[in-house]
Amino acid sequence: KNEVEQSPQNLTAQEGEFITINCSYSVGISALHWLQQHPGGGIVSLFMLSSGKKKHGRLIATINIQEKHSSLHITASHPRDSAVYICAVSVFGASGSRLTFGEGTQLTVNP
Amino acid sequence: EAQVTQNPRYLITVTGKKLTVTCSQNMNHEYMSWYRQDPGLGLRQIYYSMNVEVTDKGDVPEGYKVSRKEKRNFPLILESPSPNQTSLYFCASSARTMNTEAFFGQGTRLTVV
Repeated sequence: KNEVEQSPQNLTAQEGEFITINCSYSVGISALHWLQQHPGGGIVSLFMLSSGKKKHGRLIATINIQEKHSSLHITASHPRDSAVYICAVSVFGASGSRLTFGEGTQLTVNP
Repeated sequence: EAQVTQNPRYLITVTGKKLTVTCSQNMNHEYMSWYRQDPGLGLRQIYYSMNVEVTDKGDVPEGYKVSRKEKRNFPLILESPSPNQTSLYFCASSARTMNTEAFFGQGTRLTVV
């Protein structure tokens, strides 16, 4: 079982719909990242959070540390939101910090 | 502009021919790391560095070397590349550990034939 599980793996939505992507993890973490990867490969950091909720434009990220769960919400989705969304957790151990990634959620928003 | 720069973006090479992928950041970040991305396996950490002269193995270090002689640079070295190292590689940096915002390079698509 992966340490980080995302759902769904694939998601197709119509423009304007509210979208939720979920991330569950099984290890103790010091932070959680939501990343966006567009076709062509570049990766952009959307959020880094260790508690509560963050909002940036139409994107909202929440985390529940006790339940080991995070969600990424996109309000009023748009075709330009089509991308792969990746959840990653930061695990800090004796030898330093490492990131462990979920497999990603492929989001397609149709006009 | 704050950025992480990787070179080259694309590389095709032959088995056994040593190569280096460079990574440079202009944000004075302490933490730098390398990842590979493969279909069905997602992103996996190869090596990371907490600061100059401090490096450690990630989840898949076999066949790779790194060095951190300067704060801004963190090259990835493949001494004897093999076809199973064909992958998409990313370098990333953050201010301190991965508990701060991460900045990623544009990726290097490596093919070993």
